[in-house]
Amino acid sequence: AQTVTQSQPEMSVQEAETVTLSCTYDTSESDYYLFWYKQPPSRQMILVIRQEAYKQQNATENRFSVNFQKAAKSFSLKISDSQLGDAAMYFCAYRDISSGSARQLTFGSGTQLTVLP
Amino acid sequence: DTGVSQNPRHKITKRGQNVTFRCDPISEHNRLYWYRQTLGQGPEFLTYFQNEAQLEKSRLLSDRFSAERPKGSFSTLEIQRTEQGDSAMYLCASSSWTDRDTIYFGEGSWLTVV
Repeated sequence: AQTVTQSQPEMSVQEAETVTLSCTYDTSESDYYLFWYKQPPSRQMILVIRQEAYKQQNATENRFSVNFQKAAKSFSLKISDSQLGDAAMYFCAYRDISSGSARQLTFGSGTQLTVLP
Repeated sequence: DTGVSQNPRHKITKRGQNVTFRCDPISEHNRLYWYRQTLGQGPEFLTYFQNEAQLEKSRLLSDRFSAERPKGSFSTLEIQRTEQGDSAMYLCASSSWTDRDTIYFGEGSWLTVV
């Protein structure tokens, strides 16, 4: 079974600074997707960024970028120019895309990010 | 289309009562998922529908839980004889292969069993 580990329960960053959230995962599959989701106090899960395992290039979405190290099974999220609105719980998630799978997401336990003004 | 819609948003029930949650996915999304999330934890997969067929159920889905998706549109999640351990947020999500199979979540339904 796949597992996702987020070893940082809490992180804080000064507004306008950069922060990196860590994530490792375990799988025997060669093709899969990885995601970072953001869950603000409103509790709605919002997709931040996705990475296909077959792509060597790291995904970027505006101020958000990832460092995907497939061999190390590591998938970190870098937030640049942090804003107060970035404060939320961030979840790393893995998705099995093998034939016949339900393709459900497996989530880590989350990292609570605080942005300091 | 405004996204995945869930009702009710909050439900307080007495132990032993039955509750039902409804999820309306994004229109034309053929895949629908239910997850459960407790405080301080990530969501855990419960069950998955492709159109009207329930194709997978997690072992977390005990016999007291049942989910349906008649006609492949909205879905319901019913919990019978609720227990205090059922208190959690129940998240619905949907996806479609036409949208890179990206999973979109609803705002969740909070259940408190007293």
